[in-house]
Amino acid sequence: GAGVSQSPSNKVTEKGKDVELRCDPISGHTALYWYRQSLGQGLEFLIYFQGNSAPDKSGLPSDRFSAERTGGSVSTLTIQRTQQEDSAVYLCASSSYMSSGNTIYFGEGSWLTVV
Amino acid sequence: EDKVVQSPLSLVVHEGDTVTLNCSYEVTNFRSLLWYKQEKKAPTFLFMLTSSGIEKKSGRLSSILDKKELFSILNITATQTGDSAVYLCAVSGTYKYIFGTGTRLKVLA
Repeated sequence: GAGVSQSPSNKVTEKGKDVELRCDPISGHTALYWYRQSLGQGLEFLIYFQGNSAPDKSGLPSDRFSAERTGGSVSTLTIQRTQQEDSAVYLCASSSYMSSGNTIYFGEGSWLTVV
Repeated sequence: EDKVVQSPLSLVVHEGDTVTLNCSYEVTNFRSLLWYKQEKKAPTFLFMLTSSGIEKKSGRLSSILDKKELFSILNITATQTGDSAVYLCAVSGTYKYIFGTGTRLKVLA
């Protein structure tokens, strides 16, 4: 696609429910990133994909968080048994292969509110 | 541990003023430094810097990198109210981008 597409744009869920956030990167981009941004805070790295592999999952806050990428394209971030502290904007970004450091392009984000 | 520090945290200026935003970093295997503008949700790309001393310029915005002293600055001249935003600095190490907490700029009419 023309840009990084994320869905849903807004999600309100009850504490304890599971949520899935979807990211469709720019066509041809092999690298995909998930970041989290809490209100008034900077971007917190969650996970990085190169193709379908995730060489670095170190940013995932707990085992309630998981992510996968299929076909080298779409990625899903799943949060199980959501907690109120999970409320944040979840930003996905993609870039072409990292050689000398490429620009990453962000989607509009998914605003998650856990009530 | 890799880190990126931005200063000031926030800044209020009047239209027409010039501002300088700072970004210092400690990153293993530095590859590039990026500046983004964030107004609502998605950060939008401004500049990518890889070499020291070469100024990147776009309209009233310019940026330069010092790889010896490990910092970059973003300058905005003749500020306008539309420049009000959070400006984010990100540094690429091995593969991931580490972001600073940003500088919140407010330009008053």
